[in-house]
This record gives sequence, structure tokens and C-alpha cells, in this order.
Amino acid sequence: EIVLTQSPGTLSLSPGERATLSCRASQSVSSNYLAWYQQKPGQAPRLLIYGASSRATGTPDRFSGSGSGTDFTLTVSRLEPEDFAVYYCQQYGSSLWTFGQGTKVEIK
Amino acid sequence: QVQLQESGPGLVKPSETLSLTCAVSGYSISSGYYWGWIRQPPGKGLEWIGSIYHSGSSYYNPSLKSRVTISVDTSKNQFSLKLSSVTAADTAVYYCARQPVSQAAAGAVDYWGQGTLVTVSS
Repeated sequence: EIVLTQSPGTLSLSPGERATLSCRASQSVSSNYLAWYQQKPGQAPRLLIYGASSRATGTPDRFSGSGSGTDFTLTVSRLEPEDFAVYYCQQYGSSLWTFGQGTKVEIK
Repeated sequence: QVQLQESGPGLVKPSETLSLTCAVSGYSISSGYYWGWIRQPPGKGLEWIGSIYHSGSSYYNPSLKSRVTISVDTSKNQFSLKLSSVTAADTAVYYCARQPVSQAAAGAVDYWGQGTLVTVSS
């Protein structure tokens, strides 16, 4: 089973700043089946990025995903007030889905 | 517009079986995709429970496999979760979800239900 480790646990930034979130896998993620989600309090997660770097429908272009193998990154180029939330990475392989533990992006 | 809606008891007693159903609208389960359950304990992260294909092929989280059964009813366009021998550690918001594996967004979860809180307590 692939374990995903996200860092940092919490990121304290100001609106307009750049956010860089990391997701590291214990084994190589097949076919780049790596996705990122945003979750706000009281809401279901929302798919932002799939296939490591493809934006889902409706995802603003300030969100970008990169990486391959075991190291993946979600970047928010300029934080908007609505971007402060918790972000999860998730992988799929061998008919199993696993999530990282999450990174909270909070207002500094 | 694809919509998923969870339903079931919000309170379950310890050692009993948790049962939830997810009604799908805007898409026929028989047309493809995996359909799954994901949970989130209060204040914690997301945990995949298991998924099922319309044909009935199912896959479960190894840590829960012995207690989980997911089934699909294509005639009602819904799928269900049963989790047996529950304890307080199973208290969580339970989400149902659509999971593409050969379509766009393969490997991800592209549609989620709103979630339902299930509390395990006597």
C-alpha cells in the first residue's frame, strides 16, 4: 500500500503570496494517478488537479500541479482569500485509493 | 449534473452495523465508473473505505476489509455501504463518491456527496 506524506502540516501565508505544497509517496505512483483536493470547513472536498498536472473543470489557473514518480507539488501562484483551506493529495494504484494527511493553508 | 446523496442513520450503537445508501442522479451507474465511500473523522483527514464497479467488482481498504461490504443496485441507481462491529473510532462524516478509472480524471474522485455524519455511541 502506498503511503502519501504531505508537508508542511500548516502553511501560514498572506493573500497574494505563493503557496507550495508537497506530497511524497512511499513508492512510485503509477501513470501519474495523483490528484489534489481543496476542502473548506463543512464542505466536501473539491477536485482541483488530476493526473498530477491537469486542472479539473473550474479550477482557476493560479493552481498548478507538477511532479512524477514519488514527488509531487501543488502550487498556488497568488493566494486569494478563498484559497485558505485544507489541501489533500491522493493516489490510485492496484485498485486502491489513498490520501495524504493534508496541509492547512492559513492566513498569516 | 451528477449528484450524489447519502442517507442512513446518524447514530449507531457500538458493535452494531453501520448502513448507508448513496442515491445517484444525473448519471446511470450502469454506464461505468467506480462508485465509492470515503470517510473523515471529526477534525481529521480523509480515508478511502472501498469502491465498487457497476458489474459488482469491489475493492476495499485493507485496514477495513474484514468489516466492509459495498453493494450496487443498478435498478435503483444507488449503492450501499455496510460496516460491521463499529466502535467509536468509526465516528466520521461518510462521503459517497464517483471515481473514474479510465475516463477523464482517471484515478481521482470527481464527484462527491455532501457527506453524512455517523456517530457511534450507546
